[in-house]
Amino acid sequence: AQSVTQPDIHITVSEGASLELRCNYSYGATPYLFWYVQSPGQGLQLLLKYFSGDTLVQGIKGFEAEFKRSQSSFNLRKPSVHWSDAAEYFCAAYQAAGNKLTFGGGTRVLVKP
Amino acid sequence: KAGVTQTPRYLIKTRGQQVTLSCSPISGHRSVSWYQQTPGQGLQFLFEYFSETQRNKGNFPGRFSGRQFSNSRSEMNVSTLELGDSALYLCASSLEPGRSLDTGELFFGEGSRLTVL
Repeated sequence: AQSVTQPDIHITVSEGASLELRCNYSYGATPYLFWYVQSPGQGLQLLLKYFSGDTLVQGIKGFEAEFKRSQSSFNLRKPSVHWSDAAEYFCAAYQAAGNKLTFGGGTRVLVKP
Repeated sequence: KAGVTQTPRYLIKTRGQQVTLSCSPISGHRSVSWYQQTPGQGLQFLFEYFSETQRNKGNFPGRFSGRQFSNSRSEMNVSTLELGDSALYLCASSLEPGRSLDTGELFFGEGSRLTVL
């Protein structure tokens, strides 16, 4: 079955430290891949997306993600986190045949001062 | 350009009642999808509508239904509410799934938070 897995439920980082969130997908073919962020009480905002081509994708708010086909991974990174990055992050995969996004379980990021 | 608008933002119902949630997509978007978000189950796909037709449906009981109007606005309805229906219901719009212009990117509203007592 098609699935998206985010192994880390919670991550705590210090402000100014780097952040990496893991995402693995299980699909027959490479799907379109997305990272969304959700602040408390809000909807989901798209951070970045990967369709094809360059495996390093730049997004908004200083985030980037690297696609690795051999590992079926699409990890999200930020070199230096800000307190405002505290939120829940969702990795998602889309295939036109299914016509829907499949989300991972999310990773909640806490930022320590 | 206005984003996806969901109403109401918050509502409280009791078991056995029914509820209708509304979603206005981004202008020009013809596809509307609904997701249920709960702490235990995460984000789960409910259904997707395009040109007033339900094209895809998730694994939810028949108490969950929806429709789309000619102006692409969508409503979802939950009948005979149960405690477990308490959730954030998110609506998302996109261009035309499956067409070359569409990339699968969904634009989400802020959600309707339903509490069932």
